Amino acid sequence: DVKVTQSSRYLVKRTGEKVFLECVQDMDHENMFWYRQDPGLGLRLIYFSYDVKMKEKGDIPEGYSVSREKKERFSLILESASTNQTSMYLCASSLFRTGGGRSQPQHFGDGTRLSIL
Amino acid sequence: GNSVTQMEGPVTLSEEAFLTINCTYTATGYPSLFWYVQYPGEGLQLLLKATKADDKGSNKGFEATYRKETTSFHLEKGSVQVSDSAVYFCALSASYQKVTFGIGTKLQVIP
Repeated sequence: DVKVTQSSRYLVKRTGEKVFLECVQDMDHENMFWYRQDPGLGLRLIYFSYDVKMKEKGDIPEGYSVSREKKERFSLILESASTNQTSMYLCASSLFRTGGGRSQPQHFGDGTRLSIL
Repeated sequence: GNSVTQMEGPVTLSEEAFLTINCTYTATGYPSLFWYVQYPGEGLQLLLKATKADDKGSNKGFEATYRKETTSFHLEKGSVQVSDSAVYFCALSASYQKVTFGIGTKLQVIP
């Protein structure tokens, strides 16, 4: 089974801090994603990466950056945390397949509940 | 752009009741369609999928049929259990990487 591991289940930080959320997957997946989940809004894509050192903005990238130095690890960075970034953050990965890529499901970690005080 | 519409709920049912959660979508091309489930305190996990029109996905007693003519992918189960209480997300993928999710429907099953 694919395992996606997020480094923290709960995190409390202060406004203005630089925050790092880490995600590791163990199935050699090419694609990795960061979402935030908020009540009434569902999942919103922040950034995704389809290869090492490659990244693309999702729907809500403002205030965030990402790093993918190794295939298995995808980090989300809050450059200067603000209270409106208090949320549940979910990491996911998926396999890239030419010709059938859109049928590949995403595999999720258990999430990091981040509170910014 | 692509979008998925589903009710937020909560949907409250008694054990052994019939479940329907509606999902409609808007997409260009021929997307794949998914249902994911999120149990309390966990991430999302794939429940079922369908990759082309008229396909039926099924798993753990849940079913959904890809209806291109009505752009729908409604989730059904004949007899729900308390253990089915969770949040259910409808989703579509129209590209090799990105998935568009609905807002999630919370299901509460009472004994």
